Amino acid sequence: QQQVRQSPQSLTVWEGETAILNCSYEDSTFNYFPWYQQFPGEGPALLISIRSVSDKKEDGRFTIFFNKREKKLSLHITDSQPGDSATYFCAVLSGSFNKLTFGAGTRLAVCP
Amino acid sequence: EAAVTQSPRNKVAVTGGKVTLSCNQTNNHNNMYWYRQDTGHGLRLIHYSYGAGSTEKGDIPDGYKASRPSQENFSLILELATPSQTSVYFCASGDVGGSAETLYFGSGTRLTVL
Repeated sequence: QQQVRQSPQSLTVWEGETAILNCSYEDSTFNYFPWYQQFPGEGPALLISIRSVSDKKEDGRFTIFFNKREKKLSLHITDSQPGDSATYFCAVLSGSFNKLTFGAGTRLAVCP
Repeated sequence: EAAVTQSPRNKVAVTGGKVTLSCNQTNNHNNMYWYRQDTGHGLRLIHYSYGAGSTEKGDIPDGYKASRPSQENFSLILELATPSQTSVYFCASGDVGGSAETLYFGSGTRLTVL
């Protein structure tokens, strides 16, 4: 059973465009949603996160939009740069067990 | 900066052999985790630990054991390796659920079982 779904699997945008990565989840008790960024050959690293009490979180060019009612969130990357080319994972915190469950990831390519 | 070190970086094993993947963290985090990463599945949790001496089953524990002999070290053990366990394995540390809520990942171990 897949608790976290991400779409699209892969995305290509031109430099300067806005990339939109989507995530949905099933369990309404989840309350913490981090996004991790992974470059080839490296481990994932925390990029930005949001709690369910908020509907938006912004950090520079990266913004999370959160819709609690629909159990959906999205990561917007504005003014995309070639250096943003990476795989992005949405995750949810299972509070009972202090563990993160990850989605399958979206591979983003930004063309110059 | 939090530091998580995995060894080896690459490993080739034979079917039926025993494999041990090692992880060391210098962050003094209570929690440590082992994930495997496969295309189409993302990161899936195998085992985790709340501290020295404790291990807990994650979402896909079958065929794996874990050992947490100290705060710093967390090992993943494949007693009888199978080709289906060919994957990239990541160790992470972090007091998720506490005040920090960030996982710090190592660089991964690429395991190939022939």
